[in-house]
Amino acid sequence: GAGVSQSPSNKVTEKGKDVELRCDPISGHTALYWYRQSLGQGLEFLIYFQGNSAPDKSGLPSDRFSAERTGGSVSTLTIQRTQQEDSAVYLCASSWTSGTTDTQYFGPGTRLTVL
Amino acid sequence: RKEVEQDPGPFNVPEGATVAFNCTYSNSASQSFFWYRQDCRKEPKLLMSVYSSGNEDGRFTAQLNRASQYISLLIRDSKLSDSATYLCVVNMNGGSNYKLTFGKGTLLTVNP
Repeated sequence: GAGVSQSPSNKVTEKGKDVELRCDPISGHTALYWYRQSLGQGLEFLIYFQGNSAPDKSGLPSDRFSAERTGGSVSTLTIQRTQQEDSAVYLCASSWTSGTTDTQYFGPGTRLTVL
Repeated sequence: RKEVEQDPGPFNVPEGATVAFNCTYSNSASQSFFWYRQDCRKEPKLLMSVYSSGNEDGRFTAQLNRASQYISLLIRDSKLSDSATYLCVVNMNGGSNYKLTFGKGTLLTVNP
């Protein structure tokens, strides 16, 4: 079946602009996650959704970052007033639930470059 | 101690070699452990979960030592297609699996 999809695959923007990144999880998956992978760094947890609620936003780096999920499906990560340090690959993952045995399946990511 | 720390690598081995990756984690309350594989410019994919009793999947063997907070991955008879970055992943959040913490990864290159 279809996996997690993300769009756009690449985004180049100018410092100070806002960007929106989209994630379509695997159909039926209730849990959705956003991560960031910067060059030479491990994946960094940003936020987690269970349904449309975000019980843990602790990983969001600043108040310029926000995310929402609607209809228990698609999620959008928004970065306002982008900075060069926001350049990274933004990865979305989904799983059936957030239980300990549930595998997180990752999308291909959005490579964000802030000039 | 870093939350999840891996061998920095990179590892360069010939085909057919056995290679071992090590990982340590800081939170003794962690309950779930995984190895993910990430190919260049691709997304991470689950390679295998790691269980207390140790587990094997073909040429891959994972071990967990809770007392030492240590995880390992052994690859036997390595293939060219095993070339990738191997990520040690730990659930630091107890009963819920949502908050995975990733190591920085160890790059493996298998040479002909």
